[in-house]
Amino acid sequence: GQNIDQPTEMTATEGAIVQINCTYQTSGFNGLFWYQQHAGEAPTFLSYNVLDGLEEKGRFSSFLSRSKGYSYLLLKELQMKDSASYLCAVRPSGSSNTGKLIFGQGTTLQVKP
Amino acid sequence: GAGVSQSPSNKVTEKGKDVELRCDPISGHTALYWYRQSLGQGLEFLIYFQGNSAPDKSGLPSDRFSAERTGGSVSTLTIQRTQQEDSAVYLCASSSPPRGGVSSEQYFGPGTRLTVT
Repeated sequence: GQNIDQPTEMTATEGAIVQINCTYQTSGFNGLFWYQQHAGEAPTFLSYNVLDGLEEKGRFSSFLSRSKGYSYLLLKELQMKDSASYLCAVRPSGSSNTGKLIFGQGTTLQVKP
Repeated sequence: GAGVSQSPSNKVTEKGKDVELRCDPISGHTALYWYRQSLGQGLEFLIYFQGNSAPDKSGLPSDRFSAERTGGSVSTLTIQRTQQEDSAVYLCASSSPPRGGVSSEQYFGPGTRLTVT
């Protein structure tokens, strides 16, 4: 079966660093995506990992370990506008021609002053 | 350029009625996806279009759900004889053609919030 786990809620302080973890068990693996979703809005793409290691993009970084079925999203220098849901999604094997994604339930991050 | 648009943004319907939800993808995006987001749940894949054909309909929850795409652009998701459990946000996404067999990130629309009373 397909299973993607991430914490339901997290709280962090403005200016701090927060790490949002995601573990997955899917029928094969063909890439992992992180999306940000503000309440009532469309999810927006943050990052993509298909090989092991760290991908850095400004204040956001994403890490992948395929052997452990594990990824994390790291947000640095937190700002109030980073309060949102963060969605972890995996593209299973066999879907490289379709791009279908399997999503976790999302992690709601609240940034406090 | 314009992003993915969906209409209506909100739809309230009575149980048993049929509804149609529309998606306008980004121009030039050949791949189109429908997902459903229920309260407290993750996004759930429904159907995938490549051009006008739907090679993957595996996520449609029942035969009351159908979708079509015309002209390689606009798509319509139809739910017949709606039930209360159909209440959710229906999201559409599109992506550019795969390169090297690998598809790119999906761009999402704002969704249609469907409430079945």
